Amino acid sequence: AQSVSQHNHHVILSEAASLELGCNYSYGGTVNLFWYVQYPGQHLQLLLKYFSGDPLVKGIKGFEAEFIKSKFSFNLRKPSVQWSDTAEYFCAVKGNNDMRFGAGTRLTVKP
Amino acid sequence: DTAVSQTPKYLVTQMGNDKSIKCEQNLGHDTMYWYKQDSKKFLKIMFSYNNKELIINETVPNRFSPKSPDKAHLNLHINSLELGDSAVYFCASSQTSASGNTIYFGEGSWLTVV
Repeated sequence: AQSVSQHNHHVILSEAASLELGCNYSYGGTVNLFWYVQYPGQHLQLLLKYFSGDPLVKGIKGFEAEFIKSKFSFNLRKPSVQWSDTAEYFCAVKGNNDMRFGAGTRLTVKP
Repeated sequence: DTAVSQTPKYLVTQMGNDKSIKCEQNLGHDTMYWYKQDSKKFLKIMFSYNNKELIINETVPNRFSPKSPDKAHLNLHINSLELGDSAVYFCASSQTSASGNTIYFGEGSWLTVV
């Protein structure tokens, strides 16, 4: 079965700082990769996804992620964060039957 | 219209009780899931159904029993609730596709066992 690891448990940034959240996965087959965001008290919302093609994918709200197959990584980036980006971010990998999530990274953006 | 809807959104109940959470999706998807999110925000899959058939059953207590009357519904019944069952339970759905498929989540059901 596939697994996902997110290296940063809690990231604290000031507004306008650049963001990069790490995500590594392990799975031998073809994977679909995702980043989800969970704002406080809310459900998971899809930020972006990678199925195939261009390894640099752009999502909503200015987020992007790069799939590097050789490193089994799918890091999330944003050039300039805003206070409203404060949330929990989950990397996920989908193999044949199910989706596995990383432990999540809590992002706090200070105004 | 909400794509994946769960009821109830909030549930507070005593230990030992039996409770159910209902889930419906109107996306026409063939696969549905139940995930549990604990107090540390860790998300773990519990069950997955494809066309009403159970395909994933992770190591969860037998007190948890999913039921899928049709492709659009996946309900979760919990017997003899324990304090450790307190969590947020998310229902989700996806459509099987060779090109890749996205899982869509419901808004969650906050279960508190006292």
